[in-house]
Formats: sequence, C-alpha cells, structure tokens
Amino acid sequence: EAQVTQNPRYLITVTGKKLTVTCSQNMNHEYMSWYRQDPGLGLRQIYYSMNVEVTDKGDVPEGYKVSRKEKRNFPLILESPSPNQTSLYFCASALLPLGSSYEQYFGPGTRLTVT
Amino acid sequence: AQKVTQAQTEISVVEKEDVTLDCVYETRDTTYYLFWYKQPPSGELVFLIRRNSFDEQNEISGRYSWNFQKSTSSFNFTITASQVVDSAVYFCALSEEGGNMLTFGGGTRLMVKP
Repeated sequence: EAQVTQNPRYLITVTGKKLTVTCSQNMNHEYMSWYRQDPGLGLRQIYYSMNVEVTDKGDVPEGYKVSRKEKRNFPLILESPSPNQTSLYFCASALLPLGSSYEQYFGPGTRLTVT
Repeated sequence: AQKVTQAQTEISVVEKEDVTLDCVYETRDTTYYLFWYKQPPSGELVFLIRRNSFDEQNEISGRYSWNFQKSTSSFNFTITASQVVDSAVYFCALSEEGGNMLTFGGGTRLMVKP
C-alpha cells in the first residue's frame, strides 16, 4: 500500500530535550516536505526536499533541522524544543515538484507537546 | 508572495443543506495550481481536487463542486445536500509554477448537524 508513515504519532517532551520525528514514504517520490498545523493558521511549511541531499527552508524553519540521506526518509529534528513548537506535524511527499501540479500525499500526523 | 485566505473559520449547517466554502488567493504568477484538502476528525489530510490556472471550467464530483474564477481570484467549494460525514476542516492551498512550496489557507471548520 502506498503510504507516508510518521513516528511517533504522539510525543510529550520537555524543553531542550532533542527529538527526531521520522518520516518515510514507499512511493519513490523525489519531493518531501514537513508542515506544522496550528489553529487558525492552517498548515505552514517548515522544510522541503527536492531529492537526496537537497533541502531548503520553507516559511517557518527556525528551530528545526532536516536531512535527506535516502530518498524514502526525511526526518525532522528539533535540537532544543521549546513550548512554541507544540503543534501537529505532517510529513508529505509528491512524485514531482509542485510546479508540475502533483498533489502531495500526507502522513497521519505527529502531535507534539513541549512542556 | 503567495497567500490564501479562507475567511470563514467555522460554518454550521443542518444536514441536507447546501454549503459553500470560500477561498481567495493571491499570486503574481500566471501559472499556478489550486488545491482543496479535507481533514476529518480523525486528523488525516485527504486530497480532494487540483486545478491549474488555465482551466477555469467548474468541476463536479458527486455532491462536491468547485467554482474557479480568475477574475476574482477565488476557488470556492460547494457541498450539495450536506451529510454529517462531511463534517471536517477544509483547506484551500496554492502552489506557483516552478515553485516548491504549498501555501495553505487557515482552514474552514464545517459542522453538519443531523
């Protein structure tokens, strides 16, 4: 089954404790992206990757890091989480860059709480 | 810079009513793509439709229809004869040609009461 998986689905952590949210897709998609969803703000793009070893900032990259060492994986790293990073996070992938109009396939989401 | 506005934050209707969700966008590009996604209470994001800027034909899919008007920069979504299962948050989104980012509106929460 074609899918995007994220782990963990729920995470409660404390300020400053490094964490990684994993994202994996089995569709051989070049494009992958991370979003955060906050009430009233919709989804905002954090980082995206056009292919292996190619990543770039989205609208809200501060406090996050990503890497793309393999085509299927695109982990999101919070080196020193803060309470304002409490949010619902989505990973997504697409076959081609968005300019080619392909829709993105979204993972199930990771709800992160930073206390 | 691209921007998407969904002015209706919440809409409540009674089952079988028709409802229209508004979406207004801003972009300087002449080629762009518009999307609608549904987020049911379970939380996942479900793709509904994609439309490119050169295709202004309205689209109908069952009880769903979309009205794209470049003159008013709008891409509105209508649900005919709404059902309780339509209760969800709906997002409109925009991507520019050659761009790598998808910009979402703030979402509209639709509540359909029995």
